[in-house]
Amino acid sequence: RKEVEQDPGPFNVPEGATVAFNCTYSNSASQSFFWYRQDCRKEPKLLMSVYSSGNEDGRFTAQLNRASQYISLLIRDSKLSDSATYLCARSNDYKLSFGAGTTVTVRA
Amino acid sequence: DTGVSQDPRHKITKRGQNVTFRCDPISEHNRLYWYRQTLGQGPEFLTYFQNEAQLEKSRLLSDRFSAERPKGSFSTLEIQRTEQGDSAMYLCASSGLAEDNEQFFGPGTRLTVL
Repeated sequence: RKEVEQDPGPFNVPEGATVAFNCTYSNSASQSFFWYRQDCRKEPKLLMSVYSSGNEDGRFTAQLNRASQYISLLIRDSKLSDSATYLCARSNDYKLSFGAGTTVTVRA
Repeated sequence: DTGVSQDPRHKITKRGQNVTFRCDPISEHNRLYWYRQTLGQGPEFLTYFQNEAQLEKSRLLSDRFSAERPKGSFSTLEIQRTEQGDSAMYLCASSGLAEDNEQFFGPGTRLTVL
């Protein structure tokens, strides 16, 4: 089993919609989690850090469920510019373990 | 620009040749990481440095790969005798010493081995 697994998508949503997807992890000792956004052929850019039960930043909300070992990302009021691949990562002894990403496409 | 920089951005080489990539981290960051990413996958950890010390290497890092960070600032990643399977995006990231471990990535070097 991979250390971090993600809902691969693709999620195809209209502008203004809410979209949510999950990421599960296998190491219960993990303390820090992150969501990165990656555009095609670009580097991952840090979107949110998740240390406790969750985090909110504008239209983006991340929830951490330690009992069930998953993290979710919710995007409200989707914009065309939100179209990207969203990578979930957990920190383990300083290195990051990533999922394969969830692709989101927001259509006009 | 005070972000992580990498050079070159693209490298095309023939199988069997050696290649070297450079990474300049964010100046105040003590930790520097190398990852590799192939199409459809997330980045995979290769190795990391704290200052000039290489503290961990992944099993993915075969003996053809070597990384250095001689003065605790920039780092180089060398691949000897390249193989077609080495074709990937090589990403560098840096972070401070804080436990939050937020890592910031450079633009990557895309390697194509013919």
